[in-house]
Amino acid sequence: QVQLEESGGGLVKPGGSLRLSCAASGFTFSDYYMSWIRQAPGKGLEWIAFTSSTGSTIYYADSVKGRFTISRDNAKNSLHLQMNSLRAEDTAVYYCARDPGMVAAPYYFDYWGQGTLVTVSS
Amino acid sequence: EIVLTQSPGTLSLSPGERATLSCRASQSVSSSYLAWYQQKPGQALRLLIYGASRRATGIPDRFSGSGSGTDFTLTISRLEPEDFAVYYCQQYGSSPRVTFGPGAKVDFK
Repeated sequence: QVQLEESGGGLVKPGGSLRLSCAASGFTFSDYYMSWIRQAPGKGLEWIAFTSSTGSTIYYADSVKGRFTISRDNAKNSLHLQMNSLRAEDTAVYYCARDPGMVAAPYYFDYWGQGTLVTVSS
Repeated sequence: EIVLTQSPGTLSLSPGERATLSCRASQSVSSSYLAWYQQKPGQALRLLIYGASRRATGIPDRFSGSGSGTDFTLTISRLEPEDFAVYYCQQYGSSPRVTFGPGAKVDFK
């Protein structure tokens, strides 16, 4: 069955960096678009980054553009999110999600991981 | 950016009752590109509905979606105990600027 497992979250100081990973299994990872979505404590969901199946098309939300970088390693069935210049408002649970879309842009998300918590605090 | 509003914020019902959740968009959602998700504590989010009315794989038929343009509805015909959760709508008609609603909680009366 489809499984997505995030890792790499933790406590980081403002201005610091963190790299999240998402291990995918149960499907042909290289066939699918993927996204990162986050949820601040007690808040709603915010899509933040998308990558096409080959990584050739990438989109970011304005809130993270220039600070976060999404990447994927199809040989290792893994998705990554490099987060730099972190701010308190980046504190959230970060989810990776599979996108079954037909065009290279975020669509809806048919499978989600359970998330990894990132806390940005001094 | 399309802003989604969900109502009511909380719906207090009993098992067996019907739940009707509304999602309203600030502008028309093209091609009825609207999805619904269920979130329960400690569990991965679950896709329920996409394309406004298409049930995702494995979703029971007590869940149904309807609507077009700016007004969409998720209906749970008869609540089961496992349906008490938070529900989010999401539009993808203005991709890449996809957005989610603030969520609506269905809890026990």
